[in-house]
Amino acid sequence: AQSVSQHNHHVILSEAASLELGCNYSYGGTVNLFWYVQYPGQHLQLLLKYFSGDPLVKGIKGFEAEFIKSKFSFNLRKPSVQWSDTAEYFCAARSGNTGKLIFGQGTTLQVKP
Amino acid sequence: NAGVTQTPKFRILKIGQSMTLQCTQDMNHNYMYWYRQDPGMGLKLIYYSVGAGITDKGEVPNGYNVSRSTTEDFPLRLELAAPSQTSVYFCASAASMDQPQHFGDGTRLSIL
Repeated sequence: AQSVSQHNHHVILSEAASLELGCNYSYGGTVNLFWYVQYPGQHLQLLLKYFSGDPLVKGIKGFEAEFIKSKFSFNLRKPSVQWSDTAEYFCAARSGNTGKLIFGQGTTLQVKP
Repeated sequence: NAGVTQTPKFRILKIGQSMTLQCTQDMNHNYMYWYRQDPGMGLKLIYYSVGAGITDKGEVPNGYNVSRSTTEDFPLRLELAAPSQTSVYFCASAASMDQPQHFGDGTRLSIL
């Protein structure tokens, strides 16, 4: 079955620390990959997406992610986190022609000032 | 630009009651989706629609129904509310299957 797995459920960092959140997917064939962020009390917002081309994609707010096909991974990174990055982060994958997304379990990031 | 609008934001139901969660979008998107979000479980797709008059089941459709009579609206109906349906429900829309989904603010539903 198609699935998306996020390794870290809860991450606590101090400001200026570097961030890497893991995401693995189990799909065959062409896959589109996304990272969404949900700030407290808000709806999901798109951080970045990968469809094809350069496997290193840059998103909003200084986030980037690297698609490694051989590892079925799409890890999210940020060199230096801020308190305002405190949120829940979701990795998602899409395949097929219906646009359906399969989400990972989510990772709660808490950044201490 | 309102985007995706969900109503109500909060609701408490008794077991066995029915209700409809409303979702409307003003972006003329063909694709619309309903997800539920449970703690530690991520988002699960309930139903989706690729255009007016067309709906299909997602991962967790049991206990829910949808309709898509217009492009703008995609209501989700709970016929006999059960405690297992306590969750946060998100509606989303996309212009096409290749475009990112835009999410509403969610409806927090508690069934007691």
